[in-house]
Amino acid sequence: DVKVTQSSRYLVKRTGEKVFLECVQDMDHENMFWYRQDPGLGLRLIYFSYDVKMKEKGDIPEGYSVSREKKERFSLILESASTNQTSMYLCASRTSGDDTQYFGPGTRLTVL
Amino acid sequence: GEDVEQSLFLSVREGDSSVINCTYTDSSSTYLYWYKQEPGAGLQLLTYIFSNMDMKQDQRLTVLLNKKDKHLSLRIADTQTGDSAIYFCAETRVGQLTFGSGTQLTVLP
Repeated sequence: DVKVTQSSRYLVKRTGEKVFLECVQDMDHENMFWYRQDPGLGLRLIYFSYDVKMKEKGDIPEGYSVSREKKERFSLILESASTNQTSMYLCASRTSGDDTQYFGPGTRLTVL
Repeated sequence: GEDVEQSLFLSVREGDSSVINCTYTDSSSTYLYWYKQEPGAGLQLLTYIFSNMDMKQDQRLTVLLNKKDKHLSLRIADTQTGDSAIYFCAETRVGQLTFGSGTQLTVLP
């Protein structure tokens, strides 16, 4: 079974703090994704990576950056958290040649 | 339009069938997916259908695909309280998945 884990289920941060969300997958997948989920808006793609040290902007990259130093790990960084970044963050991965994505349990981030 | 569209809410009685509908946009999508999200959890792959199929059945789940109308549906037979969740449809687009807004299914006793 594919296993995607995220470092925290719940996180509370203050405005202006730097926030790191980590995602690890154990299936040697080349592609990894970060989404945010807000009620009524579905999932929106923030960034994705198709290889180590490679990254591509998704639909809503503003205010976020990412890091992929190892194949199994994809980090989402909020350089200076703001209240409008309060959301559920979901990580996913897939292998090349297969569109099926496998998701982690999500991190619910609250920025006060 | 460019969005994958779903209605936001659906309520059914326990034991009835549920039908969740979705319209998608990209006629070249290879696969179309249904994911399930239980409260406080991530998305779980429920089923998918290859674009050259009209129907796929998997136990209580039936997926219907109408490519002409770009319409996808998920039917859950004998709906149970454990089926209460948010259901997302997704289409493949340029190697990525584009998701609908999700349909909150509530199963009433």
